[in-house]
Amino acid sequence: AQKVTQAQTEISVVEKEDVTLDCVYETRDTTYYLFWYKQPPSGELVFLIRRNSFDEQNEISGRYSWNFQKSTSSFNFTITASQVVDSAVYFCALQETSGSRLTFGEGTQLTVNP
Amino acid sequence: NAGVTQTPKFRILKIGQSMTLQCTQDMNHNYMYWYRQDPGMGLKLIYYSVGAGITDKGEVPNGYNVSRSTTEDFPLRLELAAPSQTSVYFCASSTTGGRRSEKLFFGSGTQLSVL
Repeated sequence: AQKVTQAQTEISVVEKEDVTLDCVYETRDTTYYLFWYKQPPSGELVFLIRRNSFDEQNEISGRYSWNFQKSTSSFNFTITASQVVDSAVYFCALQETSGSRLTFGEGTQLTVNP
Repeated sequence: NAGVTQTPKFRILKIGQSMTLQCTQDMNHNYMYWYRQDPGMGLKLIYYSVGAGITDKGEVPNGYNVSRSTTEDFPLRLELAAPSQTSVYFCASSTTGGRRSEKLFFGSGTQLSVL
């Protein structure tokens, strides 16, 4: 069965610090997709990135970057020069191509203090 | 585009009452999902649908029912509400799933309290 673990329940940083959110997953499929979603205090869920299991290239989008390491089953998310607006709960999620279910981790609450 | 629209945004139910959470999307997505999010927790899949007329159970289906008579609508029915169903409910949709998994578009959520 698929499983996603986000060991960091809460992280608190000061503005402009870099912060990395960890995500470890378990799956028996060789083909799968990994996602990150952001849930700001307003409650909606915002898609950040999708990565398939064949593409281990790291990705950068502005202040966001993702490090996918298949060897350690990890898909970590780094925010560079954090801002107060980055304060949110961040969810990592896994979808096996053998099914239609998207399994979420329990989320990491990130608080960026001014 | 409205995207995924959920109603109501808030609801308080008494134990044993029933209600339907409405979800509609205007993106012509085949895949639709219902998730629940308990306080401080991730999202758990309740039911999902891969197209009109086709539904399947997720991780936590007990106490819920769904139907998918049209591509646009995917209502979630709670029969005999229980306090354990107090949660925030999210509806979502996507163009594809499985081997061509695409990102989910989420509704804004329904906060349900059962007292």
